[in-house]
Amino acid sequence: EAAVTQSPRNKVTVTGGNVTLSCRQTNSHNYMYWYRQDTGHGLRLIHYSYGAGNLQIGDVPDGYKATRTTQEDFFLLLELASPSQTSLYFCASSDSQNQDTQYFGPGTRLLVL
Amino acid sequence: GDSVTQTEGQVTVSESKSLIINCTYSATSIAYPNLFWYVRYPGEGLQLLLKVITAGQKGSSRGFEATYNKETTSFHLQKASVQESDSAVYYCALRDMGYKLTFGTGTSLLVDP
Repeated sequence: EAAVTQSPRNKVTVTGGNVTLSCRQTNSHNYMYWYRQDTGHGLRLIHYSYGAGNLQIGDVPDGYKATRTTQEDFFLLLELASPSQTSLYFCASSDSQNQDTQYFGPGTRLLVL
Repeated sequence: GDSVTQTEGQVTVSESKSLIINCTYSATSIAYPNLFWYVRYPGEGLQLLLKVITAGQKGSSRGFEATYNKETTSFHLQKASVQESDSAVYYCALRDMGYKLTFGTGTSLLVDP
C-alpha cells in the first residue's frame, strides 16, 4: 500500500514566521498534492505537481509556495505565516494511471500565533 | 465549479444501529462524475473507502454501501450496523474530467458503545 509521510506532525509559529512542511511518498507516484482542511470547508487544494521540478497552482494558493525536488519529495513553504494559515495540512499522492485514488499522509497541524 | 454538500457535520449513532450520511453533488464539466467516499480515522490520513464511476451502480466496502443516484444527484453512505471502530470522519468527493478531487466538508461519526 502507498506510504505518504509528513513532517512535522505539529508546528507552532508566530505571525511573519517562516515554515516548511515536508512530504515524502515512497510509491513512485507522479502526482503529489497539498491540501488544507478547515472546519466548515472540505479539503482545499493549495498546490500540486506531476513530477520533479513541476508545480501547478491549486484553488487556494495565496500565501503558499511549493517545490517538488524529487519524485518522492514535495514541500510547502509559508514564508510570512499569518493566523489565517492556521489549519490542518494534508499531503497526498496518486498515480497518473489511477487518478481516482489518492493516498494521504497523516497531516500536519499548524498553529500561527 | 464542482461542489459536494454534506449537511451533517457530526452524527452520533449507538453501536449496532444503522447509519446514513448524506451527500449531494454538482459537477459542471460532465454529467456523471466519478464519486467517492474517503474516511479518516483518528491520527491517520484519508483513505479511499469506496468509489462508483457509473451512474446507477452501488459501491460497497467494509459493510458500507453507497448508490450513485443521478436523478437526485446524491451518493449517500449507509451501513446497516455500525461498530465502535467505525468512528471516524467521512468525506464525500467527486472527480470530473481532470486530476482534481472536490471534497465535501466531512461528517464526523461517533459510535456510542
